[in-house]
Amino acid sequence: SSELTQDPAVSVALGQTVRITCQGDSLRSYYASWYQQKPGQAPVLVIYGKNNRPSGIPDRFSGSSSGNTASLTITGAQAEDEADYYCNSRDSSGNFVVVFGGGTKLTVL
Amino acid sequence: QVQLQESGPGLVKPSETLSLTCAVSGYSISSGYYWGWIRQPPGKGLEWIGSIYHSGSTYYNPSLKSRVTISVDTSKNQFSLKLSSVTAADTAVYYCARQTTNQQNWFDPWGQGTLVTVSS
Repeated sequence: SSELTQDPAVSVALGQTVRITCQGDSLRSYYASWYQQKPGQAPVLVIYGKNNRPSGIPDRFSGSSSGNTASLTITGAQAEDEADYYCNSRDSSGNFVVVFGGGTKLTVL
Repeated sequence: QVQLQESGPGLVKPSETLSLTCAVSGYSISSGYYWGWIRQPPGKGLEWIGSIYHSGSTYYNPSLKSRVTISVDTSKNQFSLKLSSVTAADTAVYYCARQTTNQQNWFDPWGQGTLVTVSS
């Protein structure tokens, strides 16, 4: 399958922990990467590989994976974390095909 | 610091060819990496269009393959996208990004994006 499935919307209370998930057959073979996108801005990489954060990304962002599901966890969500989050991976076909999840809108209450 | 900047017409007529260029600064394309194009229709999610390796090998989204051409000009340190026979459905913000891929895939950094509207 070339699809990655995300919940359309998730909410979290300020300071609490939230998990955003991404499901797809390709995640059994490939790690997901995660992007944060705020309105009117380009996506920003927040997690890549097994659980790596680019320079400048707060350590409250972490990634994990189990079976066909990848997760992005924000521990102690802040108001500035309110954004759209997209997962990304290679397709499981073995061909060079890249897929994105449909995105999750995170609301910080 | 690697930076990418998209450029090209903001308005394209239906049935014509969309052409965009991504200028890379702070890194020589010929040194390595893949380089990708991603688009985002207004209010919708991200869609991978295709990628090119620094050597010139290309890889395209199967759903767009018949209309897409990506090329690289190492002398100008830029790569380009051509999308033919465009329709209103091709209206989107188009991003270019540096890509790392093997057993994992990620795009970083991204250009700021450029809005292309398909309309007569």
